[in-house]
Amino acid sequence: QQQVKQSPQSLIVQKGGISIINCAYENTAFDYFPWYQQFPGKGPALLIAIRPDVSEKKEGRFTISFNKSAKQFSLHIMDSQPGDSATYFCAASILSGYSTLTFGKGTMLLVSP
Amino acid sequence: DTEVTQTPKHLVMGMTNKKSLKCEQHMGHRAMYWYKQKAKKPPELMFVYSYEKLSINESVPSRFSPECPNSSLLNLHLHALQPEDSALYLCASSQDPSRGLETQYFGPGTRLLVL
Repeated sequence: QQQVKQSPQSLIVQKGGISIINCAYENTAFDYFPWYQQFPGKGPALLIAIRPDVSEKKEGRFTISFNKSAKQFSLHIMDSQPGDSATYFCAASILSGYSTLTFGKGTMLLVSP
Repeated sequence: DTEVTQTPKHLVMGMTNKKSLKCEQHMGHRAMYWYKQKAKKPPELMFVYSYEKLSINESVPSRFSPECPNSSLLNLHLHALQPEDSALYLCASSQDPSRGLETQYFGPGTRLLVL
């Protein structure tokens, strides 16, 4: 069954802290794992993505850690800022053929000033 | 330019109305998608067009009718909707479905309210 489980459902972090969101998947055929950031009233925007041939990818303050054997991946936001307050969705897809996305249920992040 | 545009931004319609949502991209992408998103939920895939042909219909009710007039445009025709169809409707595109290229770019969405 194609599922992506995301936790926590909501997260409050102080400004300057580290935000960590976790996802786990079941389908070992998944080979592309993006994270989307969505602000209220806006469409999701691709934040960062990883493929399973690497264990970590960093872009600025955002890092994805990937554990293939555990079928888990996580998003770390370093030095979290109030402007990072948004809903974050992890997702997974299979690159061969149609790239439909299986989304996690989302995490509402609030970074307090 | 990684922009997907959608019109209108907001739409209020009665259950007997007929309306259309529009989506446009000029990135040369050959796959386009319609998603429905309820509050505090992830986007739910409705339709996928690949090379202007409908390739995936996720068992969507017939009151939603997609159309892809050309590779840059995607429409969603709405007729006889129900109040529970009120949601944010998102359009997305990705480069080349036959090569499985992965990145989907989303538009800002149309906020639909059905009265």
